[in-house]
Parts: sequence; structure tokens; C-alpha cells
Amino acid sequence: AQKVTQAQTEISVVEKEDVTLDCVYETRDTTYYLFWYKQPPSGELVFLIRRNSFDEQNEISGRYSWNFQKSTSSFNFTITASQVVDSAVYFCALVGGAGSYQLTFGKGTKLSVIP
Amino acid sequence: DAGVIQSPRHEVTEMGQEVTLRCKPISGHDYLFWYRQTMMRGLELLIYFNNNVPIDDSGMPEDRFSAKMPNASFSTLKIQPSEPRDSAVYFCASSPAGNTIYFGEGSWLTVV
Repeated sequence: AQKVTQAQTEISVVEKEDVTLDCVYETRDTTYYLFWYKQPPSGELVFLIRRNSFDEQNEISGRYSWNFQKSTSSFNFTITASQVVDSAVYFCALVGGAGSYQLTFGKGTKLSVIP
Repeated sequence: DAGVIQSPRHEVTEMGQEVTLRCKPISGHDYLFWYRQTMMRGLELLIYFNNNVPIDDSGMPEDRFSAKMPNASFSTLKIQPSEPRDSAVYFCASSPAGNTIYFGEGSWLTVV
């Protein structure tokens, strides 16, 4: 069975602070994919990043960065210099196994950025 | 490029009525998914299709739910008869071969 745990239910930060959203996963598959999605107050689910299990390189995209560590089964997401527009629920998700398409989502972390 | 398009965005219906949710996937995507989001259960996969063929419908809650994909550019999720516990956000998503799944804006269903 696969599992994604986002232990932080809600986080509040003041604008311009950095914030890290934690994600820990469990899977028996040797090949798997990890994702982050953003759900702003308007409700849509926006794809942010996909990382496969063979690629442990960290990635940076503007103010967003992701730290993938297989040794600790973690795929954490950091927002640098947070902005009010970053306020949303962020979901970490996992797809396990080559050819699998069933996303297992975490419960989400609600981020509030206060002006 | 157009993303996944869902309709209606919002639906309020009375218990017992039939509800049909519609989805147009991203052109060229071979996979189509229906997810449901509730506060209690989070995001759940209901069913997914590959090349218009249902592959896994184990997440469909009960016989009141049915999904079809008559062609590569259209899918429906039908609930008949609807019940208040079906109130949720229903997401359609699509994916090319390669595992990245793109979601629509969701259909917000309220059954009263």
C-alpha cells in the first residue's frame, strides 16, 4: 500500500518569510513519481512539479524549491520570500509503479500568508 | 493551450435527481481520470480510462455512479439518483503517457 503524509495541517507565515511544507511517503515500488499540487481558494488543482524516484536532484523554480531525499522518504517543498498569492492548500502525491496512474494524495497543508 | 474543461462548475440539485458532470480532456492525452474531493476523505480516485476504455473503476462508490468515455475528447460522470452525501468537488484530469496528471477546475456539486 502507498501512503503520503503531510503532517502539517495548517501553517501561517508573514509575507516575505520562507516556509517549508513537509511530505513523507511510503511505497514498496522501486519506480515511483512524486508530485506537488496547489489548490488556491478558487478551487482548481494546479500541477507544480513531478519528480521520479531515480532523480534525487533538488529543483528550483523561481521562489519554489523541492528537496527529494530517498533515504528519509521525503519530498519537501520550500517557498522563499512568501507572498499573499501563495496562500493555498498544497498537496503532495505519489504514483507508484511503472505504468501506474493512480495518484495517492496526502491530506494537504493549508498555507496562509499574512500581509 | 486549453486545459481540462469541466462543466458545470457549480451544480445544486435535489436529492433523487440525476446529475451529469462533463469533461473534455487535454487534446492528445490518452488517460482520463475522475476524482472526488471531500473534507472527510480528501482526494479519491473514482475511475480512470485509457484510450476511452475504463481501466480501474474500483473507486466508484456504488451503482448509483457511472462513467463513460464515448470518444477521446469527452467523458461523463453520472450520479443517479443523487444523495446529499454525494456533495463534493468532482475533478476530471487527464494525462499523456508519462504520469503527469493535469486537473480541471472541478465541478462543485451540492445535493440538498
